[in-house]
Amino acid sequence: GDSVTQMEGPVTLSEEAFLTINCTYTATGYPSLFWYVQYPGEGLQLLLKATKADDKGSNKGFEATYRKETTSFHLEKGSVQVSDSAVYFCALLNTGNQFYFGTGTSLTVIP
Amino acid sequence: GAVVSQHPSRVICKSGTSVKIECRSLDFQATTMFWYRQFPKKSLMLMATSNEGSKATYEQGVEKDKFLINHASLTLSTLTVTSAHPEDSSFYICSARDFRVGRSYNEQFFGPGTRLTVL
Repeated sequence: GDSVTQMEGPVTLSEEAFLTINCTYTATGYPSLFWYVQYPGEGLQLLLKATKADDKGSNKGFEATYRKETTSFHLEKGSVQVSDSAVYFCALLNTGNQFYFGTGTSLTVIP
Repeated sequence: GAVVSQHPSRVICKSGTSVKIECRSLDFQATTMFWYRQFPKKSLMLMATSNEGSKATYEQGVEKDKFLINHASLTLSTLTVTSAHPEDSSFYICSARDFRVGRSYNEQFFGPGTRLTVL
C-alpha cells in the first residue's frame, strides 16, 4: 500500500545551520506531496506542497522538490531559526484522495 | 488560513465511560471532516471520513460501534469513544476540507488535537 517514510528525529541544530529532513514515498500513480508543520500546542499547518514531478514547493524559506525518479520529497532550509522549532510531517495524497503521513520529525533549533 | 478547533484539548476518564470530542470549522463550511489517531512516535492514522448528513466511512480495522462519528452540520463533527479502555488512550486529531471557491480542493485544515487518557 501507499506509505511515507521520513527520517527519525529528534534533530537539533544551531541557529543559521542548514536543515535537511529526508522523506521518501511509495504510491501507485501520481500522488501530491506535502510538508506539514506542527508547532507546540497547535494543529498541523500546511508548509508547502507539490502536485507533480519536478515541482518545487517553497514557503518561509523552506523548499522541497518532487523527485519521481527517487520517490523523494526532502525538506530543506538554508538557515534555520529558533522559531522553526516544531515537528515536521511529510505526507502524500494519493489518487484515491487519501492522505498518508510520515511519523514526524522533531526539530529543535538552539540559539 | 481556515481554522479548525477541537474540544476538549485533553481529557482523562475512567475505564468504561464514554467520551465525546468535538471538531469545529470556525470560519468555513466543511462538508468533509476526517478523524485521525496518532500514537507516540507513529504517523497519523486515518480512522474515518465524515461527510455532512451521511454516515461516516471507517478505515479497515476501526470499530465503528466503538468510535461513533456524527457530522450533523457543516461546521461540526463529533467523535464519541464509547466504553473507553486504556488502550484507547491516544492523541486524536480532526481535519476538515474547505470547499470555498478558489481554495485548493485537496487542502485540509487540521485541529490542534485532543489528548485522551483512559485510566
